[in-house]
Amino acid sequence: TQLLEQSPQFLSIQEGENLTVYCNSSSVFSSLQWYRQEPGEGPVLLVTVVTGGEVKKLKRLTFQFGDARKDSSLHITAAQPGDTGLYLCAGLTPGTASKLTFGTGTRLQVTL
Amino acid sequence: DTGVSQDPRHKITKRGQNVTFRCDPISEHNRLYWYRQTLGQGPEFLTYFQNEAQLEKSRLLSDRFSAERPKGSFSTLEIQRTEQGDSAMYLCASSLMGVISYGYTFGSGTRLTVV
Repeated sequence: TQLLEQSPQFLSIQEGENLTVYCNSSSVFSSLQWYRQEPGEGPVLLVTVVTGGEVKKLKRLTFQFGDARKDSSLHITAAQPGDTGLYLCAGLTPGTASKLTFGTGTRLQVTL
Repeated sequence: DTGVSQDPRHKITKRGQNVTFRCDPISEHNRLYWYRQTLGQGPEFLTYFQNEAQLEKSRLLSDRFSAERPKGSFSTLEIQRTEQGDSAMYLCASSLMGVISYGYTFGSGTRLTVV
């Protein structure tokens, strides 16, 4: 079973601060996705990264896929209360069709 | 199409009872997945279907769990003889085979509480 470890597990920051969430594995993934989940709802896709070293930006969110495709990071600039939620990385293992393995999750709370 | 629908949203049951959950995926999606999520953790894979064929089951899926997807449309997940450890959010997701960049579309889940 692939294991995707996220750090930190929990992060509480004030509005306007920057933060980085990490997603690490000892195994290679053919692609990696980031989702955000709000209480009582299912996860919603934020981004897919495929190429080692790839960087994608989505407004104030920057996603990076490690060169070896074993790790990823999510950086949020000037966090807002609307960014509050559970952030999940999910990796696709080569040769496993489209079955995603999810990370352990990072719960972000942004306060005014 | 309004996305992935799950029913019921909440289910409270007594230990030992059987429960069944339903998932209606996006109609164009040929893959359907079931995941289980406990509070504050990432979803754990249970099983997935491609059309009506169940292609993989996790070892987490004991013989008390069974899933079906008749005719490749909606799916049901049944848990027999529920235990307190079965309490969790059960998430259903669907996707289009070969288009991983679009990711999974998840339903809002069914929260099961076994008392």
